[in-house]
Amino acid sequence: AQTVTQSQPEMSVQEAETVTLSCTYDTSENNYYLFWYKQPPSRQMILVIRQEAYKQQNATENRFSVNFQKAAKSFSLKISDSQLGDTAMYFCAPPGGTSYGKLTFGQGTILTVHP
Amino acid sequence: DTEVTQTPKHLVMGMTNKKSLKCEQHMGHRAMYWYKQKAKKPPELMFVYSYEKLSINESVPSRFSPECPNSSLLNLHLHALQPEDSALYLCASSQPVGEGYTFGSGTRLTVV
Repeated sequence: AQTVTQSQPEMSVQEAETVTLSCTYDTSENNYYLFWYKQPPSRQMILVIRQEAYKQQNATENRFSVNFQKAAKSFSLKISDSQLGDTAMYFCAPPGGTSYGKLTFGQGTILTVHP
Repeated sequence: DTEVTQTPKHLVMGMTNKKSLKCEQHMGHRAMYWYKQKAKKPPELMFVYSYEKLSINESVPSRFSPECPNSSLLNLHLHALQPEDSALYLCASSQPVGEGYTFGSGTRLTVV
């Protein structure tokens, strides 16, 4: 079974500061994709960033970047210059073990950005 | 079109009712998914359709019945639900491998 651990149930950060959300997972696959999703109060799940496990380079999308440590099975999300609109629940989603892109989500981290 | 559209957005139904949730995408994705989400919890996978065939059923009770009429549409038929089935039901679509999901905005279901 695939397991995902997000060890920070809640976090808060001041606007314009940097925050890092952690995620560790277990998988027996070698080539796979990992994702971070955000779910704001509007409840729509939005893809934040995607990492391909066979790529050494960490993915970056504007203010969002990851620190991917394949051997350690660690996949943290860094948000720079935090904005009020970043307030949301963040889910780490490593592979769920099938070729159909099945995703297993971590328990989530509620991030609150304060003005 | 880069959206997944779910209807209705809100649904209140009695335990003896029959209702359906609908999901539509026009991105050419060949995999579609139903997830159930309780408040402040992660989404839980219910069903996966790949190339219009049911490929994964996560031991979901038979009162939930999925249907994929074509590559763009996914339905979830509901019958004899229980109050504990009240939740947000999310539909998503993707290419079969690796591209991540595109989610709809969900149907908030309340069973009374």
